[in-house]
Amino acid sequence: DTEVTQTPKHLVMGMTNKKSLKCEQHMGHRAMYWYKQKAKKPPELMFVYSYEKLSINESVPSRFSPECPNSSLLNLHLHALQPEDSALYLCASSQAGDHTDTQYFGPGTRLTVL
Amino acid sequence: RKEVEQDPGPFNVPEGATVAFNCTYSNSASQSFFWYRQDCRKEPKLLMSVYSSGNEDGRFTAQLNRASQYISLLIRDSKLSDSATYLCVVSRGGFKTIFGAGTRLFVKA
Repeated sequence: DTEVTQTPKHLVMGMTNKKSLKCEQHMGHRAMYWYKQKAKKPPELMFVYSYEKLSINESVPSRFSPECPNSSLLNLHLHALQPEDSALYLCASSQAGDHTDTQYFGPGTRLTVL
Repeated sequence: RKEVEQDPGPFNVPEGATVAFNCTYSNSASQSFFWYRQDCRKEPKLLMSVYSSGNEDGRFTAQLNRASQYISLLIRDSKLSDSATYLCVVSRGGFKTIFGAGTRLFVKA
């Protein structure tokens, strides 16, 4: 069983809504990641936090706003999304955040934007 | 050209068959290599890390050839439960992780 949890499992929102995705890990990992995955495509990296600081933003539109309140939690705040933002949003964590670390994924939040 | 490329698939094999997947990467600075499997509508799960010396885990064998920038995965004695998408993953440090497009495997009885 995964030790990375994500809520909610499913989310349907309108283009004017504000919602948040949540991710939690209790493995003591210090790097956390957000990925976006469209159907039949591989995951695409969006953001990386290392030691609670934003290390990577892959030129993600500002309607996606990440937050890392502490080393166990990662949020993704959503505002004014577009229908093309509908996708599976995956959270992952790794131990020290360097290239040798294995990433462990949560089950994802399936987002539909109407 | 994509930074990580995989066999397009799908691979349709009978139970008990041996199947091999290939993956090439273009950035010679790449440092770590992994195979993940992803079941339909589920998250990716680590299958194995890939080392230059090669590594084996039961029916699965992974190889890395840095000179050719090539990674492979061999599955022996395929089971129905091996049906999934296999993702080649390359990390070049600084948290940059690139996924290949994935190869779909169908194992049939």
